[in-house]
Amino acid sequence: AQTVTQSQPEMSVQEAETVTLSCTYDTSESDYYLFWYKQPPSRQMILVIRQEAYKQQNATENRFSVNFQKAAKSFSLKISDSQLGDAAMYFCAYRRRTSYDKVIFGPGTSLSVIP
Amino acid sequence: DAGVTQSPTHLIKTRGQQVTLRCSPKSGHDTVSWYQQALGQGPQFIFQYYEEEERQRGNFPDRFSGHQFPNYSSELNVNALLLGDSALYLCASSFWTGQGIYEQYFGPGTRLTVT
Repeated sequence: AQTVTQSQPEMSVQEAETVTLSCTYDTSESDYYLFWYKQPPSRQMILVIRQEAYKQQNATENRFSVNFQKAAKSFSLKISDSQLGDAAMYFCAYRRRTSYDKVIFGPGTSLSVIP
Repeated sequence: DAGVTQSPTHLIKTRGQQVTLRCSPKSGHDTVSWYQQALGQGPQFIFQYYEEEERQRGNFPDRFSGHQFPNYSSELNVNALLLGDSALYLCASSFWTGQGIYEQYFGPGTRLTVT
């Protein structure tokens, strides 16, 4: 069975600084997607970034980038120039590439941004 | 274009009662997935509906059941409520794009409290 682990329950970062959230996963599949979702206090789960396992290039979305290490099964999220609005729970998630498969979430990392 | 909507926003039920939660998918989406998110944890997959059929099911008892209507909206029913059913229930809708990329959008959730 696939599992997703986030070893940092809580993280904090100074406004305008950079922070990296860690994620590891376990799977025997070779073709899959990895995601980072953000859940602010409003509860709405928002997709931050997506990585396709067959792509070697790390995904980037504005201030958000990932470090995808397929052999190590590691998938970290880097947030640059942190803003107050980045404060939220961040969930790492996995899904097999097969059609309509379920998404498996990690336990989450609570990120605080210090003004 | 309205995103995924869920109703009610929150509700309180007593142990042993039954509850129905509702979800309207984003326009153009044909698949609805339900997740249970206990406080401080990541979402756990309950089941997924497509073409009015349950396509996949997570590790949840039969007390959890669902339905999808011809307009793709969905209901989640929980019978014989237990205190442990208290959680945020998230609905996610999706569709399969031409490039095979799976886009999943989450609703704001329904907060269920069982007393």
